[in-house]
Amino acid sequence: QSALTQPASVSGSPGQSITISCTGTSSDIGGYNYVSWYQQHPHRVPRLLIYGVNNRPSGVSNRFSGSKSGNTASLTISGLQAEDEADYYCSSYTSSSSLIFGGGTYLTVL
Amino acid sequence: QITLKESGPAVVKPTQTLTLTCTFSGFSLSTSGVGVAWIRQPPGKALEWLAIIYWNEDRRYSPSLKSRLTITKDTSKNQVVLTMTNMDPVETATYYCAHRPAPYHFDFWSQGTLVTVSS
Repeated sequence: QSALTQPASVSGSPGQSITISCTGTSSDIGGYNYVSWYQQHPHRVPRLLIYGVNNRPSGVSNRFSGSKSGNTASLTISGLQAEDEADYYCSSYTSSSSLIFGGGTYLTVL
Repeated sequence: QITLKESGPAVVKPTQTLTLTCTFSGFSLSTSGVGVAWIRQPPGKALEWLAIIYWNEDRRYSPSLKSRLTITKDTSKNQVVLTMTNMDPVETATYYCAHRPAPYHFDFWSQGTLVTVSS
């Protein structure tokens, strides 16, 4: 069971919008609406940003949004801020009743 | 307020068994829908989901590690225990436990404990 595929890095300038993709298969992302996204600053604990493809927990800025099309999920961050610089991980439920994470994407705010 | 804290050895030798305990507060593992999972992260690498136990005793494991993992719970003590046999140096990682409120995400995480596998 291979990890979900994410770009290793993305970058953007303050105020811009960026999108991070997360590609899986019909046995995970494509088969279920159970995609989550996590933000992890260096040496910190992961923080839940999005669950159920496009739901934000209370306290998470509406600058973060999620979507899914086929076997690919996406996280969009609008109005980039310096504090958004971090690693981002997607995860999905799978047909083997397990969970799988993506390889992670490091966001650089230029 | 939900909190989780893991405990266990900082160092284990290759081939030994790792036992980690997650002690939590602020929720009950007898509440319908709730689960506690274990997730690890080697230094500088990605997150890897290991196992989860649900309120109803159902257990799920990473397919690639299933034969080596056991997850149990003690509801009265608010604890979840993970055992992993035959540890290898490549499994040096920070191990987290996390609260699952509903399918299939984790909203509260422990601080993480670094486990080094070395002779």
